[in-house]
Amino acid sequence: DIQMTQSPSSLSASVGDRVTITCRASQGISKSLAWYQQRPGKAPNLLLSATSTLQIGVPSRFSGSGSGTDYTLTISSLQPEDFATYYCQQCYSTPYTFGQGTKLEIK
Amino acid sequence: EVQLVESGGGLVQSGGSLRLSCAASGFTFSSYWMTWVRQAPGKGLEWVANIKQDGTENYYVDSVKGRFTISRDNAKKSLYLQMNSLRADDTAVYFCARELELPSFDIWGQGTMVTVSS
Repeated sequence: DIQMTQSPSSLSASVGDRVTITCRASQGISKSLAWYQQRPGKAPNLLLSATSTLQIGVPSRFSGSGSGTDYTLTISSLQPEDFATYYCQQCYSTPYTFGQGTKLEIK
Repeated sequence: EVQLVESGGGLVQSGGSLRLSCAASGFTFSSYWMTWVRQAPGKGLEWVANIKQDGTENYYVDSVKGRFTISRDNAKKSLYLQMNSLRADDTAVYFCARELELPSFDIWGQGTMVTVSS
């Protein structure tokens, strides 16, 4: 199974900050990586697929990059609604494993 | 409106069984792989199983192999998860989700809670 190591596990930031979350796969996953946002008590929401493809309706302040084993999610200017938990997921092979999550909190 | 609605969760004793359902609407259900993902209380997401459009292929995480069975009925636009020999560590919110080709999961249900008491 492919292990996904996500960091940091929590992050404190302010509105307007630029933040980056990283995800490392235990083997190369050929850009088959998705990012999700989850608010408390809600289902996850797909932000980006295939490393950098922004889903319809997702603000352009979200972006993704990476290749091989290392991937990043960047939020260019944090908005109040962005404070949530973020998960990466490898979609390269089953079982489709998720990172442990990054809880983004208001400083 | 594109929607997935899960049902069937509840409280069950260790060793018991439960069948989850997921009703789809607003899209051509038979055109998509479908998936189940679970989330234990206060924990992260865990992919559980998925199934091909025509039901001829499916895959499972090791921890549920031999105990859980994923199935679908395209005529009823429904996805199922039959869970047998339930254990305390199966306690979680279970989400069904639509799988894109890439793949990733773009449409999710609201989740149904399964609690296994020991």
